[in-house]
Amino acid sequence: DVKVTQSSRYLVKRTGEKVFLECVQDMDHENMFWYRQDPGLGLRLIYFSYDVKMKEKGDIPEGYSVSREKKERFSLILESASTNQTSMYLCASSLYDRRGISGYTFGSGTRLTVV
Amino acid sequence: AQKVTQAQTEISVVEKEDVTLDCVYETRDTTYYLFWYKQPPSGELVFLIRRNSFDEQNEISGRYSWNFQKSTSSFNFTITASQVVDSAVYFCALSEDLYNFNKFYFGSGTKLNVKP
Repeated sequence: DVKVTQSSRYLVKRTGEKVFLECVQDMDHENMFWYRQDPGLGLRLIYFSYDVKMKEKGDIPEGYSVSREKKERFSLILESASTNQTSMYLCASSLYDRRGISGYTFGSGTRLTVV
Repeated sequence: AQKVTQAQTEISVVEKEDVTLDCVYETRDTTYYLFWYKQPPSGELVFLIRRNSFDEQNEISGRYSWNFQKSTSSFNFTITASQVVDSAVYFCALSEDLYNFNKFYFGSGTKLNVKP
């Protein structure tokens, strides 16, 4: 069963801490994405990556960075966590498919609370 | 501007009622893709359907059906004879440009409550 696995389901961190959210996929997908989900705002794209060591800013990259050293792993980094980064974080992956656009496969999400 | 609008924030129905979730999108591309995802309480988004812009045929899958109308830029989702297990948040999404690395735009979601 193919999967996108996010390392933590729930996290509580203190303001100012450096936070790492890990995502691993076993489908050999080229594309990986980090979204945050907030009530009334839907899913907003933070960063995405279309290849190892490649990254692109999404719609709300401020306060975040990412790392993709291996194809299967895409990490989201909060350099200095703030309370407004309290949210549900969703990782997704997809194929780069020239015949048509593949749907995303999502992880179960990490609910981060910054206190 | 919102590329995908789901005007219904929350809908409550009684089991066995039919319910339609609305989705309006905005794009200038001639080739684009529309999706619906379901997010049950467990949190993981589950893919339901993908539609290409050049295929306006409506689709039915069991109790689910989708009505794609380019003239009104809408891609509505109907659940027939709803069940409690249909309770979830449903997201409509748009992807433009085949070579845009598969970047999606999501609506804000519609929370569906199906009561027994």
